[in-house]
Amino acid sequence: AQKVTQAQTEISVVEKEDVTLDCVYETRDTTYYLFWYKQPPSGELVFLIRRNSFDEQNEISGRYSWNFQKSTSSFNFTITASQVVDSAVYFCALSEATGFQKLVFGTGTRLLVSP
Amino acid sequence: EPEVTQTPSHQVTQMGQEVILRCVPISNHLYFYWYRQILGQKVEFLVSFYNNEISEKSEIFDDQFSVERPDGSNFTLKIRSTKLEDSAMYFCASSEIGTGVYGYTFGSGTRLTVV
Repeated sequence: AQKVTQAQTEISVVEKEDVTLDCVYETRDTTYYLFWYKQPPSGELVFLIRRNSFDEQNEISGRYSWNFQKSTSSFNFTITASQVVDSAVYFCALSEATGFQKLVFGTGTRLLVSP
Repeated sequence: EPEVTQTPSHQVTQMGQEVILRCVPISNHLYFYWYRQILGQKVEFLVSFYNNEISEKSEIFDDQFSVERPDGSNFTLKIRSTKLEDSAMYFCASSEIGTGVYGYTFGSGTRLTVV
């Protein structure tokens, strides 16, 4: 069965600090997809990134970067030079490639960035 | 960019009443989903729908719940005889194909409050 673990419940940082959000997943499939979503206080789910299991290249998008390591089943998310607007709950999620597979979400990490 | 539209954004209902949450998926998407998020908790899969039938449902999706695609555009979630514990944010999502290869597009959610 698929499972996503986000061990960090809440992280508090001061603006301009770098912060890494951890995500560990479990799946028996060899083909799967990993996602990160941001949920701001307004409640919607904002898509950040999708990564398939065959692409272990790290990705950078502005201040955001993602480190995917199959050897440790981890897909960690780093925000560089954090800003107050980054304050939100961040969810990691997994989708297996077989069938009509749903997304399985982690429990989320609440990030608080103070000025 | 195409969007998934959910209505209403907020709904308050009395315990025991029936509610219908509505979603308009992206027009060329074939797979539809409902997810639920109880306040402060993770996003949980309820049901997936393809080719006018349920393809998978979770343990949460019991006889109290039903889904329907009454016409070519709407996708609805009906909750019969609502309970206090049904209070949550309900997200609709759609995807072009059933795996994560093209990702999932989420609506902004319907916040349901049962009083």
